[in-house]
Amino acid sequence: SYELTQPSSVSVSPGQTARITCSRDELAKQYARWFQQKPGQAPVLVMYKDSERPSGIPERFSGSSSGTTVTLTISGAQVEDEAEYYCFSAVDNNRGVFGGGTKLTVL
Amino acid sequence: EVQLVESGGGLVQPGGSLRLSCAASGFIFSRYWMTWVRQAPGKGLEWVANIKQDGSEKYYMDSVKGRFTISRDNAKNSLYLQMNSLRADDTAVYYCVAYNTYWGQGTLVTVSS
Repeated sequence: SYELTQPSSVSVSPGQTARITCSRDELAKQYARWFQQKPGQAPVLVMYKDSERPSGIPERFSGSSSGTTVTLTISGAQVEDEAEYYCFSAVDNNRGVFGGGTKLTVL
Repeated sequence: EVQLVESGGGLVQPGGSLRLSCAASGFIFSRYWMTWVRQAPGKGLEWVANIKQDGSEKYYMDSVKGRFTISRDNAKNSLYLQMNSLRADDTAVYYCVAYNTYWGQGTLVTVSS
């Protein structure tokens, strides 16, 4: 089955660059999306098509893709960026799959 | 402004049924794939099912096939999830998602005796 693998946690100090990876277990055929979820809230889209940033998302969020790995980068992470981050991809254009989530700590 | 409002969650015994609804507004509902995603307490996001714009294609995660049915009513801008033969491991917050982009606030389903 298709899987997306993320580190369980990433920790940075405020102002540092946070990188969260998402590894796909086969050569990428579909773009990835990234969702940010803060405690008690619904997820919010922060990146689509691997590296496209939705309107309203700060410029410090960027995305990239290389081979079977997509990366969400937060340049100059802020305390308010502390959240759980999930990568997501479609499978065969129909079903979807989420990564296990990465808890980003900024302190 | 896109709004997705889920309803229908609650406490149900194992083996029971529930029907979730999602009322959509702020966008042309009939133009988008719609999805249900769930999140068990303290766990990650789990894709459950999706449905094509006209309802002609539906896809499910393996563990709910044959028990859950996704449907939509474009005239009412509404998405549904009929859940039968519920099990304890179906306990989760269920989210309605539009175009893999916009999320509702979720409705909690608790399966317990």
